[in-house]
Amino acid sequence: DTEVTQTPKHLVMGMTNKKSLKCEQHMGHRAMYWYKQKAKKPPELMFVYSYEKLSINESVPSRFSPECPNSSLLNLHLHALQPEDSALYLCASSQQVVETQYFGPGTRLLVL
Amino acid sequence: SQQGEEDPQALSIQEGENATMNCSYKTSINNLQWYRQNSGRGLVHLILIRSNEREKHSGRLRVTLDTSKKSSSLLITASRAADTASYFCATDAKLVFGKGTKLTVNP
Repeated sequence: DTEVTQTPKHLVMGMTNKKSLKCEQHMGHRAMYWYKQKAKKPPELMFVYSYEKLSINESVPSRFSPECPNSSLLNLHLHALQPEDSALYLCASSQQVVETQYFGPGTRLLVL
Repeated sequence: SQQGEEDPQALSIQEGENATMNCSYKTSINNLQWYRQNSGRGLVHLILIRSNEREKHSGRLRVTLDTSKKSSSLLITASRAADTASYFCATDAKLVFGKGTKLTVNP
């Protein structure tokens, strides 16, 4: 299984809602990543988990809260988002940090 | 500033032609990776080249690495309409993608 899956594919939420994005991989990778991508821009790194511990937080606002319940799962909890947070959220995994990354298809988020 | 910067930002060619895009980076690296992204989709890893390699091939892809110039190039030969996508480089030194090269292959 060489796939990274993400759910949901699309999400529309209000600024007062709480929602979660989910990412799963069964490749035995020990590094997992969250990226945010706005239209016509490159992906921007948000968080990196290595061996289920948060190793990089790129100064992301606290309304984004990552969680790594186990080595196969990565969540991104969303609360009190702003319209400018609307973007494609990409999850990726790799054997170790900074090795080849395998990306999921992304969750397209719209904040109203 | 970005670790990997691709050049050109946009490239439009005819099917069958070759496409070359370049990547420059700033610090020492152990490896450099190229990715492709179709519109609105996740990135797909194309090829990884290590710092002790100068050239690597994978099908119609050829990647070169010049560590003295801190640059890499991706050559796609005999391009197809399906190669239309954005192409990004990234290095292991910093998990940062450049702006990418948007390649359009016209049938």
